[in-house]
Amino acid sequence: EAQVTQNPRYLITVTGKKLTVTCSQNMNHEYMSWYRQDPGLGLRQIYYSMNVEVTDKGDVPEGYKVSRKEKRNFPLILESPSPNQTSLYFCASSLSGGYYEQYFGPGTRLTVT
Amino acid sequence: EDQVTQSPEALRLQEGESSSLNCSYTVSGLRGLFWYRQDPGKGPEFLFTLYSAGEEKEKERLKATLTKKESFLHITAPKPEDSATYLCAVHWGYQKVTFGIGTKLQVIP
Repeated sequence: EAQVTQNPRYLITVTGKKLTVTCSQNMNHEYMSWYRQDPGLGLRQIYYSMNVEVTDKGDVPEGYKVSRKEKRNFPLILESPSPNQTSLYFCASSLSGGYYEQYFGPGTRLTVT
Repeated sequence: EDQVTQSPEALRLQEGESSSLNCSYTVSGLRGLFWYRQDPGKGPEFLFTLYSAGEEKEKERLKATLTKKESFLHITAPKPEDSATYLCAVHWGYQKVTFGIGTKLQVIP
């Protein structure tokens, strides 16, 4: 089954404790992206990747890191999480950027206390 | 400022009562406008892609249209299972994606 998977689905952590949210797709997609979704603000792009070793900032990259060492994986790293990073996070992938629809993962609900 | 605005924020319809959702955009270098449906607690699901003004796409009770500055999602004779949040997304510039806040649709039986 073609899908985007994220882990963990739920995470409660404390300020400053490094964490990684994994994202994997099995569709051989080139483009992958991370979003956060907050009430009243909608989905906002954090980082995106056009292909292996090619990443770029979205609209809200501060406090986040990403890497794309393999085509199928695109982890999101919070090196020192803060309470304002409490949010619902989605990973998405598409065949290529720009002209193609994105397939979204199920979401990771992160709470930073 | 590049942005995407959806209206209304919320819409309540009686079953069978047709209506339209709006997505207006001001971005440079439009690559495509996308509509997604999002159910509570789930990731968005793709509905339509529109690439150029005048283009239309249909799927069951939904029809999407595009002009140079906005897109409409028309819902004909909606059913309760059409209740969801509908998101508009614009792909523009060098691989950037901007989403609208969404329209939360509730269809009452």
